[in-house]
Amino acid sequence: GAVVSQHPSRVICKSGTSVKIECRSLDFQATTMFWYRQFPKQSLMLMATSNEGSKATYEQGVEKDKFLINHASLTLSTLTVTSAHPEDSSFYICSARKTSGGTRWTQYFGPGTRLLVL
Amino acid sequence: QKEVEQNSGPLSVPEGAIASLNCTYSDRGSQSFFWYRQYSGKSPELIMFIYSNGDKEDGRFTAQLNKASQYVSLLIRDSQPSDSATYLCAVNQAGTALIFGKGTTLSVSS
Repeated sequence: GAVVSQHPSRVICKSGTSVKIECRSLDFQATTMFWYRQFPKQSLMLMATSNEGSKATYEQGVEKDKFLINHASLTLSTLTVTSAHPEDSSFYICSARKTSGGTRWTQYFGPGTRLLVL
Repeated sequence: QKEVEQNSGPLSVPEGAIASLNCTYSDRGSQSFFWYRQYSGKSPELIMFIYSNGDKEDGRFTAQLNKASQYVSLLIRDSQPSDSATYLCAVNQAGTALIFGKGTTLSVSS
C-alpha cells in the first residue's frame, strides 16, 4: 500500500476567510495528486488534478481562483479555499497517484478534511 | 462520456454469506480497474485492483474482470457486519484520473 496524509482533518472558519489544506504522500513520490469534494450522501466529485511543477487542471464548473492548488514538491500538494462561504462546507479529500510499473498506477486517498464555514 | 455504472443498493446480505457487487464501464480503452471501500464519514480505501481478464483473489475478496463484456465485480466471502460500507468501482486509461461509479451500499446483518 501507500500512505497519504491530510492536514487539518477538520477546520471551522468564518465566512470570507481562506483555508489551506495540505496533502502529503508519506512513503512515495507523487507527480500527480487529485482533489475531490464530497457532500453528505453524495458521490465523490473530482475538482482538479494537481501536477508537480505545473498548473493544476480544473474540472468544469470548479473556479480556479477560488480553489487555489499548489503542487510544489513530489510529496506535497495544497488546496486553498479562498473567501470561503457556507456553501463551501464539505468533505475535501486528496488522492495521490503511485506508479506501479509502465503506464499503470494506483490512486491512494488521504483521510479527508472536513470544512465547516460559519 | 466515459461512465462507470453501479447499482446503488442497498445490497443486504446475512453474516457469513457471499456479497456480490457489480460494475459496468463504457470505455473499452480502460486499462485498470479498482475497488474502493468507503465507510460513512471516511475517505475511500483501496481494496483491490485488477488489470487482466479473470479472477484475482485477496483473502475474502475476489475481483473478477471481463473486458469483452466491460464488466468488473467484487465478491466478498464470509461477509461480516464490518464489511457494511459503500463500495466504489473505478476505472482508468493510462494517464487519466480515475472515473468512479456512484457506489453500492452493502449492509451485512448479524
